[in-house]
Amino acid sequence: GAVVSQHPSRVICKSGTSVKIECRSLDFQATTMFWYRQFPKQSLMLMATSNEGSKATYEQGVEKDKFLINHASLTLSTLTVTSAHPEDSSFYICSARDGVGELFFGEGSRLTVL
Amino acid sequence: AQSVTQLDSQVPVFEEAPVELRCNYSSSVSVYLFWYVQYPNQGLQLLLKYLSGSTLVESINGFEAEFNKSQTSFHLRKPSVHISDTAEYFCAVIGGTSYGKLTFGQGTILTVHP
Repeated sequence: GAVVSQHPSRVICKSGTSVKIECRSLDFQATTMFWYRQFPKQSLMLMATSNEGSKATYEQGVEKDKFLINHASLTLSTLTVTSAHPEDSSFYICSARDGVGELFFGEGSRLTVL
Repeated sequence: AQSVTQLDSQVPVFEEAPVELRCNYSSSVSVYLFWYVQYPNQGLQLLLKYLSGSTLVESINGFEAEFNKSQTSFHLRKPSVHISDTAEYFCAVIGGTSYGKLTFGQGTILTVHP
């Protein structure tokens, strides 16, 4: 099956700094990518839908200025957590949709903000 | 709005025993249903899905799930589990024709003991 890669898989940063997470579709083009967040012992929550060449669509309650999403090419979407705080510590997962509508997930990125 | 409830957060079983992971959903329109599996330290993988047609769907590794519209359920079953089935399982739903915006259940951790 198709492969979606996330980088970094783990990141630790100081409070107040910004962190960028990349999501790449390695062997297919993805016009649409999705970003999810998973709190410990909770379900995955959709944060935003990322469309290549246009602005991301954020779910209710997700701060657009806090979680910047860029989908500059058909194989890359990035999530930047700006001015990170400890409450932003979480597991972030992306998924990409291929040409026939199938969804593939990345391995996830664990962010720890000290 | 759509929602998914996985009734069991943890399911411990012995090897070669049968298992059922329960999933109930709510949606005001027709649905597409999915089971994803997340093995330790790995990303999400699609296990099986129901889009239309036969209400009983199977995976390549022996799992099956049955879409029951009257009971709004999509329970996952396997007649005989292996140690390697130890993982977290997520039920997910897409309502209507919005393909891609998955709503996930809380997840069920299946632990298979020798």
